[in-house]
Amino acid sequence: TQLLEQSPQFLSIQEGENLTVYCNSSSVFSSLQWYRQEPGEGPVLLVTVVTGGEVKKLKRLTFQFGDARKDSSLHITAAQPGDTGLYLCAGDGGTASKLTFGTGTRLQVTL
Amino acid sequence: DAGITQSPRHKVTETGTPVTLRCHQTENHRYMYWYRQDPGHGLRLIHYSYGVKDTDKGEVSDGYSVSRSKTEDFLLTLESATSSQTSVYFCAIFGAGTARSGPNSPLHFGNGTRLTVT
Repeated sequence: TQLLEQSPQFLSIQEGENLTVYCNSSSVFSSLQWYRQEPGEGPVLLVTVVTGGEVKKLKRLTFQFGDARKDSSLHITAAQPGDTGLYLCAGDGGTASKLTFGTGTRLQVTL
Repeated sequence: DAGITQSPRHKVTETGTPVTLRCHQTENHRYMYWYRQDPGHGLRLIHYSYGVKDTDKGEVSDGYSVSRSKTEDFLLTLESATSSQTSVYFCAIFGAGTARSGPNSPLHFGNGTRLTVT
């Protein structure tokens, strides 16, 4: 069974601060996706990283896929209250179209 | 938004009763999934389907069964609900209707069903 551990589990910061969320595994993934989920809704895809060492930027969000394709990070610059939510990483092991989801990081950004 | 509807949105039931949750899609996607979400566990796959009448187990399938008699509907049944099955259940769809679209294809989720077993 492939496992994805996210850290930290909870993060409460003030507007304007920077933060990094980590997604780690002992398994290799062919790709890794990051989702954000808001209360009462399903997760929504933010980005997919495919190549080891790949860095993708989405406005103030920077996503990195580890060289060995076992880990990933999400860095948010100058966090805003609209960034509040549950962040989930999900690894594609390449079999049977099944994703393995991480344990989640709940972010709260206050004014 | 992907056309996914889950019903009911909320349900309270008693231990030992059968419960069926419904997922309906209008996208003609081949793959459909049922996940449960619990604090500290992220999303865990219960069952999935790769076509009409084609289903397979996920990592937490005990106590659950599924059926897919039409492309658009995927049903999750708890044969005899237990308190450990109190959770939020999400349905998801994947792909462009035929074979897997590739590593950049996302899952599209419904808005979940909150199930409480008392």
